[in-house]
Amino acid sequence: NAGVMQNPRHLVRRRGQEARLRCSPMKGHSHVYWYRQLPEEGLKFMVYLQKENIIDESGMPKERFSAEFPKEGPSILRIQQVVRGDSAAYFCASSPQTAGGVEAFFGQGTRLTVV
Amino acid sequence: QKEVEQDPGPLSVPEGAIVSLNCTYSNSAFQYFMWYRQYSRKGPELLMYTYSSGNKEDGRFTAQVDKSSKYISLFIRDSQPSDSATYLCAMSRAGSNYKLTFGKGTLLTVNP
Repeated sequence: NAGVMQNPRHLVRRRGQEARLRCSPMKGHSHVYWYRQLPEEGLKFMVYLQKENIIDESGMPKERFSAEFPKEGPSILRIQQVVRGDSAAYFCASSPQTAGGVEAFFGQGTRLTVV
Repeated sequence: QKEVEQDPGPLSVPEGAIVSLNCTYSNSAFQYFMWYRQYSRKGPELLMYTYSSGNKEDGRFTAQVDKSSKYISLFIRDSQPSDSATYLCAMSRAGSNYKLTFGKGTLLTVNP
């Protein structure tokens, strides 16, 4: 049973470009969460999604950031017009419907570097 | 005041030692308490979680929650070099247990 798959593992973008981060949850998991880990900071909640629905996006910056989890395919975290401050590790986690976020399994992360 | 405080260390112990890792928190609404292990350049791995107060044991690991003091601990017995990692505490509220609030993590090194 494959774990949570994130790709790419490393992403380099120039300022002003778009970054697209993909997350495939574990088989049987219908809940996806995105977290960001800034240098010297703890993981910060960004957004919680279920298939075709955004449940809680209270941790998402108001501009340039968006997330989706379509009926088919992986969850996508999109960052438009990236800036240096967006450089961070972005982690996706998933959980089955019954467990909730307390038993979320994390992926290996995507490390975004903005140059 | 941060919601969750965790001493970043680093903490260095000899193999076989008992390790004590701790977090304090300020939000009395937290009901779920988790410990994650994160190896360098990897994703966090859930070690164990507890609901409300009390102790929970899993092999060499014991988690304790003291809600009256807003203090949680993770004990590692007979520590091994493979336990060397960053340990993260995380907490969440009932009703929104998916929204984890993490400490910054404690870097642990177990020396052979």
